[in-house]
Amino acid sequence: QIQLQQSGPGLVKPSQTLSLICAISGDNVSTKTATWNWIRLSPSRGLEWLGRAYYRSKWYTDYAVSVVGRITINPDTSKDQFSLHLNSVTPEDAAVYFCARGGIADSRGLFHLHAFHIWGQGTVVTVSS
Amino acid sequence: QSVLTQPPSASGTPGQRVTISCSGNNSNIGSHNANWYHQSPGAAPKLVIYDNNQRPSGVPDRFSGSKSGTSASLAISGLQSDDEGHYYCGTWDDSLNAVFGGGTKLTVL
Repeated sequence: QIQLQQSGPGLVKPSQTLSLICAISGDNVSTKTATWNWIRLSPSRGLEWLGRAYYRSKWYTDYAVSVVGRITINPDTSKDQFSLHLNSVTPEDAAVYFCARGGIADSRGLFHLHAFHIWGQGTVVTVSS
Repeated sequence: QSVLTQPPSASGTPGQRVTISCSGNNSNIGSHNANWYHQSPGAAPKLVIYDNNQRPSGVPDRFSGSKSGTSASLAISGLQSDDEGHYYCGTWDDSLNAVFGGGTKLTVL
């Protein structure tokens, strides 16, 4: 059974960097049949996808247009985890942050990478001095 | 403002059938599969429909999905109090971003 466990501070000062970790159990971050995503939820923006990392003989990342230039998602193969770093945060970055696995397998053995079927527990992030 | 458009609210009485719509364009729903998520207060979203009309293991067959052109729909029959919460549609976009709807708050009266 695959599970995701998030860790990291819930309070970040304006202009500083938000850093969260998502630890994977029951799977490998280097699997070629999944993507590893960060998504946030806020009253003003609803659900917002931030980006993903995935391995297909080499590592790839994709980032949302709204945060590109401020975001980095890093896989850690030695610990089977991946991290989110979002710099220069403002109060608009306050949200509940989730990590999520994309890649549910259907009955034909196909993997649906854009369907987020396993989620971390969420981290409430407040941006305040 | 979300890329996909959903009604902000929906409601029904226990046992009724409700539907929630999701509208996009040719670069997202028109080209990619639609997925649906249920989020209860304080919990992580849960995938209830993927690939337009497929249910993950453990999701009851009261939940069904469909897609036509640039729109998708989620239907819930035999409405139960546990079905309350927010429902979000999501898909991939040709801009290489995952996109979501603004969410529909479902109330069981």
